[in-house]
Amino acid sequence: GAGVSQSPSNKVTEKGKDVELRCDPISGHTALYWYRQSLGQGLEFLIYFQGNSAPDKSGLPSDRFSAERTGGSVSTLTIQRTQQEDSAVYLCASSFDWTQYFGPGTRLLVL
Amino acid sequence: GEDVEQSLFLSVREGDSSVINCTYTDSSSTYLYWYKQEPGAGLQLLTYIFSNMDMKQDQRLTVLLNKKDKHLSLRIADTQTGDSAIYFCAVPVGGSQGNLIFGKGTKLSVKP
Repeated sequence: GAGVSQSPSNKVTEKGKDVELRCDPISGHTALYWYRQSLGQGLEFLIYFQGNSAPDKSGLPSDRFSAERTGGSVSTLTIQRTQQEDSAVYLCASSFDWTQYFGPGTRLLVL
Repeated sequence: GEDVEQSLFLSVREGDSSVINCTYTDSSSTYLYWYKQEPGAGLQLLTYIFSNMDMKQDQRLTVLLNKKDKHLSLRIADTQTGDSAIYFCAVPVGGSQGNLIFGKGTKLSVKP
């Protein structure tokens, strides 16, 4: 079946604008994760959704970052008032058991 | 907190074996993962090993796990130029299903 998909693949925005990044997980996967990959910083966990449980938001770097997951499927990561340090690749993953499968990522550039 | 360490670079000649090493701190990890990332692409699950195993072989890939030393390695036999990529070791936080902690990745360069 189809893998994890993310849109847009690339996003260029101006500092101070809000952006929304979308993730479509693999059908039937109950867990969904967002990570950020910055140059020289490796992969950083942001947020984790598991079924109907409250999400684990412990990795969100500031209150400008939020995410929701509608109907237990599609998720949107929103970054408000973007800053240049938000420039990174945002990766989404989904899982059914232990193993996470990643999407291709959204490359965000904040000018 | 959990920490995962990898060397940053490895260079090998085509046809040689590559060994990428990883150390971690959380002894409760159940599954341990290797992901591969090619330039401009997302992360591709390469292989994984369950913590009650000490070795897993999958074609050219061999994963070795030393739980006592908290050391994980990935061996690629007969390395090809197409294996050039960044390889990430990843372990679940707290051993439970949840977010993964990644090493910084080892960039493997394969010279013809």
